[in-house]
Amino acid sequence: DAKTTQPPSMDCAEGRAANLPCNHSTISGNEYVYWYRQIHSQGPQYIIHGLKNNETNEMASLIITEDRKSSTLILPHATLRDTAVYYCIVRSFQKLVFGTGTRLLVSP
Amino acid sequence: DTAVSQTPKYLVTQMGNDKSIKCEQNLGHDTMYWYKQDSKKFLKIMFSYNNKELIINETVPNRFSPKSPDKAHLNLHINSLELGDSAVYFCASSQRGLMIRNTEAFFGQGTRLTVV
Repeated sequence: DAKTTQPPSMDCAEGRAANLPCNHSTISGNEYVYWYRQIHSQGPQYIIHGLKNNETNEMASLIITEDRKSSTLILPHATLRDTAVYYCIVRSFQKLVFGTGTRLLVSP
Repeated sequence: DTAVSQTPKYLVTQMGNDKSIKCEQNLGHDTMYWYKQDSKKFLKIMFSYNNKELIINETVPNRFSPKSPDKAHLNLHINSLELGDSAVYFCASSQRGLMIRNTEAFFGQGTRLTVV
């Protein structure tokens, strides 16, 4: 299973962009990068996923480097409700393998 | 309407007991999963079923037995409960095991199991 590395915690001011990095240097060519978040022990919530192109949806943007060895999740205007643990996952053989994630704290 | 629902939400039981957790999804997905989140908040996959067939079994003790009566349900039965089984158990579902391009897994809200 491809392994991901994320900083354990990050802070962000409310209204500012939150940029969450992830390294996945052992990713293989057909493996997707997924981002999920977990708010206070609720079920993980899907945010976005991509293969090699940058992706954007109503929640976030995903920037994947050209060599696919790292990616960045961007929350353009973080709110207090975005405080959560964010997981970067490389999908492996039909399953999502979660790492330890980044605890994002959004402050007023 | 809740997409993936689990019951019960909380379960407190004594060591040695047998208990079941139920999961149902109304998304029309054909693949369902059980994940375990321990006290250190590490989320680990346990099982995956596709069209009622077991496709992933991640070295889980055989006291844990998943059962899928149909595509919309995946129940988890646990025999002879141990203290170390205390955790939050999450059910999830997806379409075709995440193998098609634009698909994601949806998770339930979890069942907090406490073994005393």
